[in-house]
Amino acid sequence: NAGVTQTPKFRILKIGQSMTLQCTQDMNHNYMYWYRQDPGMGLKLIYYSVGAGITDKGEVPNGYNVSRSTTEDFPLRLELAAPSQTSVYFCASSPILDNTQYFGPGTRLTVL
Amino acid sequence: QQPVQSPQAVILREGEDAVINCSSSKALYSVHWYRQKHGEAPVFLMILLKGGEQKGHDKISASFNEKKQQSSLYLTASQLSYSGTYFCGTGGSGNTPLVFGKGTRLSVIA
Repeated sequence: NAGVTQTPKFRILKIGQSMTLQCTQDMNHNYMYWYRQDPGMGLKLIYYSVGAGITDKGEVPNGYNVSRSTTEDFPLRLELAAPSQTSVYFCASSPILDNTQYFGPGTRLTVL
Repeated sequence: QQPVQSPQAVILREGEDAVINCSSSKALYSVHWYRQKHGEAPVFLMILLKGGEQKGHDKISASFNEKKQQSSLYLTASQLSYSGTYFCGTGGSGNTPLVFGKGTRLSVIA
């Protein structure tokens, strides 16, 4: 089992560019999550999904979009990147909502 | 609402004990604890569910007081490998995602 994988590991974007952060899990988990982590601020939930075709906003969804067409994949789309989106992004999955979350290795994104 | 963790940071010598607290202004259904080492992803430690239970493995244990809406993480006889940032995540019910605190940075020195 690879667990939760994320690509890319690092990325530098220019203001206004778009990109998709990829997340895949091979544990057949229903729940998947996207978090951003800024220094000293903890983990903030961007979006989450309870299963294929179902997504919901978290605490900080503005500027992001998600889709969940399969159980395995949960990509995060950034449209019109802004410097405020410079952060480390973690994808996670869990079998049910109130259970252990397994995190991917993270993507470090810088917007200049 | 984001739970409040205290202290924000603590430095220990090997073998010393530490307590990290997590409190919420909302009724809690569950508390999760994670540890994150520098440059790595958070790793699950334990979950405590409503019922006031205490859990532990090795020399790390935790308690959950639902009346006080708080949880404490206990690290005894700390080791260098315990260094990292500890996060609590709180669940208000079985239908809402976790909300994580800002973290407590723990440094264990020789």
